[in-house]
Amino acid sequence: SAVISQKPSRDICQRGTSLTIQCQVDSQVTMMFWYRQQPGQSLTLIATANQGSEATYESGFVIDKFPISRPNLTFSTLTVSNMSPEDSSIYLCSVEGRPMDYGYTFGSGTRLTVV
Amino acid sequence: KQEVTQIPAALSVPEGENLVLNCSFTDSAIYNLQWFRQDPGKGLTSLLLIQSSQREQTSGRLNASLDKSSGRSTLYIAASQPGDSATYLCAVRGSNDYKLSFGAGTTVTVRA
Repeated sequence: SAVISQKPSRDICQRGTSLTIQCQVDSQVTMMFWYRQQPGQSLTLIATANQGSEATYESGFVIDKFPISRPNLTFSTLTVSNMSPEDSSIYLCSVEGRPMDYGYTFGSGTRLTVV
Repeated sequence: KQEVTQIPAALSVPEGENLVLNCSFTDSAIYNLQWFRQDPGKGLTSLLLIQSSQREQTSGRLNASLDKSSGRSTLYIAASQPGDSATYLCAVRGSNDYKLSFGAGTTVTVRA
């Protein structure tokens, strides 16, 4: 299965600032997924990132708040913009295995605290 | 919309006891079901993947069953150890969708 390097692993940020999270995959993948996990909650899909096209956002998430880049088939970034304490969460990237019968692989997560 | 429920929400057992974690889903039209482990503040580690055509999967002390028609999966962990303490998440991939639907998880504590 794919190996994903995600960074930073954690950060403490001031409200009103932005943080960019990076995910690097050791193989080429068509789709990359970004999730948010709020404290005590399960995972919620933010968006799906395809190389060469704009990301597809889920209901409740907008590009201005969570801009995503996907410059090539092994890399993606998620930016959390104009942060507030409500953005304090774990953010995770994920890819589907190839072949897809291998299931999904997740990065190690970014634990974000906004103060 | 697929709804995934995990029961119980939390479980505490003494070391050596067997663990039984339950996952139910509302739409039986699934492609596969995946069990993950999550340590506090960390990412997800895949434990077992069951295709919709399979009834169970085994890996070491872990065994997962799938009853697609009734919308249920069970994860069994034999002879639990303190290192098994974590949150276990069940995720379902729809047959017509690449997205995963997650349960809220079961947080397991194994007491030494």
